[in-house]
Formats: sequence, structure tokens, C-alpha cells
Amino acid sequence: LAKTTQPISMDSYEGQEVNITCSHNNIATNDYITWYQQFPSQGPRFIIQGYKTKVTNEVASLFIPADRKSSTLSLPRVSLSDTAVYYCLVGDSSGGYQKVTFGTGTKLQVIP
Amino acid sequence: ETGVTQTPRHLVMGMTNKKSLKCEQHLGHNAMYWYKQSAKKPLELMFVYSLEERVENNSVPSRFSPECPNSSHLFLHLHTLQPEDSALYLCASSQAGTANYGYTFGSGTRLTVV
Repeated sequence: LAKTTQPISMDSYEGQEVNITCSHNNIATNDYITWYQQFPSQGPRFIIQGYKTKVTNEVASLFIPADRKSSTLSLPRVSLSDTAVYYCLVGDSSGGYQKVTFGTGTKLQVIP
Repeated sequence: ETGVTQTPRHLVMGMTNKKSLKCEQHLGHNAMYWYKQSAKKPLELMFVYSLEERVENNSVPSRFSPECPNSSHLFLHLHTLQPEDSALYLCASSQAGTANYGYTFGSGTRLTVV
């Protein structure tokens, strides 16, 4: 399983765009990149997933360069409710169940 | 509702008690997981069930005993726990066998051992 590295914490003002970058130098050919959001005392929630280039949904965008050794989660115009821990995960379950290791994640604090 | 339901949400138990955590998924997934999240620590994978067969047991003490009677239900039986076992216990499910995986987590059970 590819190891991921992301900043431990970030601060942002309300209304700003936030970009959180994750490094995954050992990503394998079949691996997908997935981001989760976790609020205190709740389970992580799926945000977005991608394989290459750019993916966008109603919540966020995910940018993946051609070498796929990193990815950037972009949250447009954050609000106080976006304060949470964000996890970047890399893996593939095409061969069966997926054993995924969560890192420490990035704690995003949105400031009024 | 996330599609994965955990009960109870909160549990306080003494070290000599026996209790069980329950997880139910309504998503038709074929893999289920137990994770432990202690204060200020990353999520730790405890057990994985794929097609109702236990496929992972990450050196978890025997005082934690999982059970998966069918693909929709997962239990974690607890006995003679220690105070350091106090944590948020999270259940998740996924559809194994597809490249683009995604986990759906429940809201967790906050366990306090006294």
C-alpha cells in the first residue's frame, strides 16, 4: 500500500479556497486516490475519488498531475462547517477487500 | 443516515462487563471493517471481513471478538476490557472486487471503560 504524506494542520478564513496536497510517491498503477472528511466523534465521510487529471463534484475538486505522485484536494469558498480532518488514501481493491491505513490527516481550521 | 448504522452510540462499561457493538449496512457491500480511533491517534484497522470470512486480524487482543453472521451485520464482542480500550469504534463497509473502492463509515460507538 502506498504511503501518503500530508500537512498536519492548516488554517483558512471563511470564503477562501483551500488546497490540501498529499504526496504518494509509491503509488501503484492500479491505485485510486480517495479523500475523506472526518468531524469529531463521527466516522470519516467520502468526499472525492480520482485516478488521473481532474475530478470535480458538488463538494470539491481533485487535481492529479500526470506522474500521480501527488494530489491536491481543493475546497472552494470554505465555511466554518468545513472545519474537520481530511484524509488522503491511496489503494486498489480490484483483487478483493481493501486494507487501508489511515494517516494522521490534515486538520483544517476555518476561521471566521 | 449514512447507510451504515452502529449501535449503541455511547457505551460505558466496567472492566468485568461483557458487551457487544453492532453494525448494520444497507448498501449491499461485501466487505466490513472494524476500526479503533483513540484520542489524537490515527484510525487503526482491527478486523476485516470479506464475504463473511475474517481476512484480517491486526494483532488485536483476544478481549475483542468480532462476528459476522451475514454480509449485512457485524458485531464486536467485548469482555474484560482495560481503560486504554476507551475509544471511538468505527464500522465501515465497502464493495471489494472493484478498483474504485470507497468506504462508508458508520457514526461510531464512543466506548468508555471505567
